[in-house]
Amino acid sequence: ETGVTQTPRHLVMGMTNKKSLKCEQHLGHNAMYWYKQSAKKPLELMFVYNFKEQTENNSVPSRFSPECPNSSHLFLHLHTLQPEDSALYLCASSQVQGGGNYTFGSGTRLTVV
Amino acid sequence: SQQGEEDPQALSIQEGENATMNCSYKTSINNLQWYRQNSGRGLVHLILIRSNEREKHSGRLRVTLDTSKKSSSLLITASRAADTASYFCATAANAGGTSYGKLTFGQGTILTVHP
Repeated sequence: ETGVTQTPRHLVMGMTNKKSLKCEQHLGHNAMYWYKQSAKKPLELMFVYNFKEQTENNSVPSRFSPECPNSSHLFLHLHTLQPEDSALYLCASSQVQGGGNYTFGSGTRLTVV
Repeated sequence: SQQGEEDPQALSIQEGENATMNCSYKTSINNLQWYRQNSGRGLVHLILIRSNEREKHSGRLRVTLDTSKKSSSLLITASRAADTASYFCATAANAGGTSYGKLTFGQGTILTVHP
C-alpha cells in the first residue's frame, strides 16, 4: 500500500449510469490529482486540487465531475460516459502542488459498455 | 504537447544485464522524476533529480540529467526478473509557467527481464 487508496479497483458501467470513483490519502498531503491512462497514450492530467481548491481542469468533458471535500479525499463523479472513456483512472497526491514527487494509488480500471 | 518521450519504447534483456532507458523533454524544468508501473497498477516513484543536479543514485538505479540536451537516462544495473515493468519519466515545470506544479509524463518504456 502506498498510502493512497482508490476504490473501486474495477468498475463496469453502462453509458447511462452514474458512478463515482473515490480516492483517499492519509499522508498529510495537500495536493491531489486525477490522471487518465489509456492504452498506448501518455498519462493525461485531468484535474488538480491544491488545499481543496481546484487549480486545474485540463479541458476535461463535463461528464467527469471532480469533488474534493477535504485535503484527504477526492472523488470523480461519472455520468453518461462513452466507451472511449474506458481507461485506468489514477489518483495521486503530493505535499503541495509543485512539491516533489507524487504518491499514486493503484487505480480504478473503468470499462464503459 | 507531450513533454517527456522515452526511448526505447520496449526493451528486452536477460537477468544480470544492465538496462538503460532515455527520456527527452522540450521545455525548461524544475525537476525530472522516474516512476515504475507494474501491469495495470499505480505508479511508484523511483527517483527525483533536480535541474541543478547531473547524476543521482539509489540502490541499483542511476539517473543522469543533461539540461543542455534536455535529456535524462535511467540505468538499472544487474537487472532482475522482478524489474519487469513499465518505466516513465515525468517532468515538473518551473514556477511561473502554466504547467507549474503538474507532472507531465511520457509514454514509457516497457522493460522485460528474462530469468
